[in-house]
Amino acid sequence: NAGVTQTPKFQVLKTGQSMTLQCAQDMNHEYMSWYRQDPGMGLRLIHYSVGAGITDQGEVPNGYNVSRSTTEDFPLRLLSAAPSQTSVYFCASRYDPNGHSPLHFGNGTRLTVT
Amino acid sequence: ILNVEQSPQSLHVQEGDSTNFTCSFPSSNFYALHWYRWETAKSPEALFVMTLNGDEKKKGRISATLNTKEGYSYLYIKGSQPEDSATYLCAHQTGANNLFFGTGTRLTVIP
Repeated sequence: NAGVTQTPKFQVLKTGQSMTLQCAQDMNHEYMSWYRQDPGMGLRLIHYSVGAGITDQGEVPNGYNVSRSTTEDFPLRLLSAAPSQTSVYFCASRYDPNGHSPLHFGNGTRLTVT
Repeated sequence: ILNVEQSPQSLHVQEGDSTNFTCSFPSSNFYALHWYRWETAKSPEALFVMTLNGDEKKKGRISATLNTKEGYSYLYIKGSQPEDSATYLCAHQTGANNLFFGTGTRLTVIP
């Protein structure tokens, strides 16, 4: 049982480059989300999805796009990377889209933008 | 309380000591309170999700209580072991899709 899988684990980008962080889960969870972790701050929600074809913005969505074409996959796209997007990114899923079941996290992607 | 606050920020205890940490959150718009355990180089793992005022949850030597009226939750670890060393996160859920995390309490258990 793989759970939530994120790739890559590490990435270095130059300012202005674009890239996609991949997230896949094999638990048939309807809800998927992306968080970023910055020093001295709690995890902050970027975007989330309550099911295939449905996405919405979280607390810090600017500079990021998401799509949800299948239940399993929820990629996060950086359109034009900026140094302020240097962070550790976590994908998380949970079983019920509208309830309060616990989040299952991936292992994170450490992104550096120079 | 406007945000989720956790105290202390860090804590060192001797093996065998019992310890506790606090999570404070706004008492309005309560939906659920989550606790996660986050070991270095790993991803956060869920400990508890609590939804009702007065809830108490227990998993082995770890337990948690919840007071939604005054906006706090306590996490207790009885007889700390070195493998309990981790950062403990709490998160206040205000609606189906709104989960706000604290910055965590980093626990180090000294053998």
